[in-house]
Amino acid sequence: DVKVTQSSRYLVKRTGEKVFLECVQDMDHENMFWYRQDPGLGLRLIYFSYDVKMKEKGDIPEGYSVSREKKERFSLILESASTNQTSMYLCASSGLDRADEQYFGPGTRLTVT
Amino acid sequence: TQLLEQSPQFLSIQEGENLTVYCNSSSVFSSLQWYRQEPGEGPVLLVTVVTGGEVKKLKRLTFQFGDARKDSSLHITAAQPGDTGLYLCAGDVNNNNDMRFGAGTRLTVKP
Repeated sequence: DVKVTQSSRYLVKRTGEKVFLECVQDMDHENMFWYRQDPGLGLRLIYFSYDVKMKEKGDIPEGYSVSREKKERFSLILESASTNQTSMYLCASSGLDRADEQYFGPGTRLTVT
Repeated sequence: TQLLEQSPQFLSIQEGENLTVYCNSSSVFSSLQWYRQEPGEGPVLLVTVVTGGEVKKLKRLTFQFGDARKDSSLHITAAQPGDTGLYLCAGDVNNNNDMRFGAGTRLTVKP
């Protein structure tokens, strides 16, 4: 059974804190993605990675960075959390072709106070 | 503005009714996917359509890709409470492996 896991389901952080969101997949997928999901806006791509140590900006990379040191793990970093980063964060992975089916984790609901 | 516009944004119906939701764009897609997301979970792929005019059926769900590959519809026959969820479409713009998601249609089926 394929699996994408995220380190936390719920997270509450204070403004200015550094936040790490971890994602692990067990399917040996090349591509991994980080999205945020907000009501009425759907899923917006923050960053994606197509290989270890490789990354590309998505539509809304400002205020975020990512790290992919190992194929199975993709981390999203909020260097200095702000209240407008309160959101649901979803990680996904897919095979060689980015248009392949994406497998999603359960999401992390982050609240920044 | 969204690359993919989904309508309606919300839909609440009684069990047994039929419904259709839409995914529209001015862009041409080489492929289009439909996902369903249940509360507290990530989206799960339902179907991928790749050919203009293609129709795919998944039990009570019928998916259609427009002839011009700019739009798609999802029709559910005899909806059940288990169909409740957020339905998202995602399109691969111009076959450059760049998937974009719509905002979704939130469906509630009341028993």
